[in-house]
Amino acid sequence: QVQLQESGPGPVKPSETLSLTCTVSGASVSTSTYYWSWIRQPPGKGLEWIGYIHYIGSTNYNPSLNSRVTISVDTSKNQFSLKLTSVTAADSAVYYCARDHHSGYDYWYFDSWGQGTLVTVSP
Amino acid sequence: QSALTQPASVSGSPGQSITISCTGTSSDVGGYNLVSWYQHHPGKAPKLMIYEGSKRPSGVSNRFSGSKSGNTASLTISGLQADDEADFYCCSYAGSSSYVFGTGTKVSVL
Repeated sequence: QVQLQESGPGPVKPSETLSLTCTVSGASVSTSTYYWSWIRQPPGKGLEWIGYIHYIGSTNYNPSLNSRVTISVDTSKNQFSLKLTSVTAADSAVYYCARDHHSGYDYWYFDSWGQGTLVTVSP
Repeated sequence: QSALTQPASVSGSPGQSITISCTGTSSDVGGYNLVSWYQHHPGKAPKLMIYEGSKRPSGVSNRFSGSKSGNTASLTISGLQADDEADFYCCSYAGSSSYVFGTGTKVSVL
């Protein structure tokens, strides 16, 4: 059974960089048929897709965050990571990592999720 | 890329059926048969309930069903149970290899 676990250093100050890591167990991030996504949920609001990565390194990001987001993968540790630069209070949210199944115009869904980690941006 | 529109809340009594709508545009919901639905109990990992509009993953009860008409997708829960009380989100392929989520619906079991 696939399990994903988010981890990060805790609160972040405005203008700094938010960094999170997702550790995957029960599956390999190097599987060609899956991508690995980050999704967030600000307090009291809905879900927002941030972006995904494939183990070969291809990425795609939400246009609204594109200039501030970088997602990377470490196949040796079976992890993938998120960096979000120049954060503001609006970036405070629960951040989820998820396994993303898509291929061309087929599938396009998240079949396993982490429990999420709350990141607060405050001075 | 605007969020898909869902009703803020839907409620029903045990045993009843409820339907949650998810309205987008021809660039997302209406343009592809790639809507998925997620059940989210606060504090837990969201769970995939429906994918590709109407397909159920293994292990998901057949009380959950999905459909689509034009730019609106729907999730129907039949035989409502207390444990169905949760937040539900739709999500669609939105072109350019991207996703868009719905605004979310809180399901209450009266």
